Amino acid sequence: DTGVSQNPRHKITKRGQNVTFRCDPISEHNRLYWYRQTLGQGPEFLTYFQNEAQLEKSRLLSDRFSAERPKGSFSTLEIQRTEQGDSAMYLCASSNRGGTEAFFGQGTRLTVV
Amino acid sequence: EDQVTQSPEALRLQEGESSSLNCSYTVSGLRGLFWYRQDPGKGPEFLFTLYSAGEEKEKERLKATLTKKESFLHITAPKPEDSATYLCAVQAEGGFKTIFGAGTRLFVKA
Repeated sequence: DTGVSQNPRHKITKRGQNVTFRCDPISEHNRLYWYRQTLGQGPEFLTYFQNEAQLEKSRLLSDRFSAERPKGSFSTLEIQRTEQGDSAMYLCASSNRGGTEAFFGQGTRLTVV
Repeated sequence: EDQVTQSPEALRLQEGESSSLNCSYTVSGLRGLFWYRQDPGKGPEFLFTLYSAGEEKEKERLKATLTKKESFLHITAPKPEDSATYLCAVQAEGGFKTIFGAGTRLFVKA
């Protein structure tokens, strides 16, 4: 399967714990995006990378959230001190240099209890 | 601020009953407008990119059109397997941040 891969698919954590999600993009894609989606809403932009550089970050993203993309390959999204409001589907997408056709992974569903 | 509004929120059709979904947008210079399909519990699946007013694209029973202020997704003779949420999104010139609408949930009954 050469699509975007996200792990884990589901994560249940207690409030206050840290969690980390991983995204493996399509291999030749140099752009990688993270989104958050809650029930009944469209995906909400969090951040995006071009190769290893984080070029844009939503001002909605608190300092509890951090993302990395070492060596321009896979990416990780970490949430520190999770809160119940962080419960959502976290989606990763990648695109090639043209950037106008993004392919999404299946997402990681986070539940904070 | 860049914004995308989709209507209706939900649409129920009988199999074979054609209809259209609307996406109104405001953006400071359009790089591209996108349509995605999303099934429950899955990530969005890319359908179309439109770049300029007057452009149209088709795929099976779907046809997307674009004006300077809105886009339509026309569904011709839908089948139950077309039931899904359809998402519209825009990218502004100068960046790759993509703004999504809340989607239209389509239900097609056999």
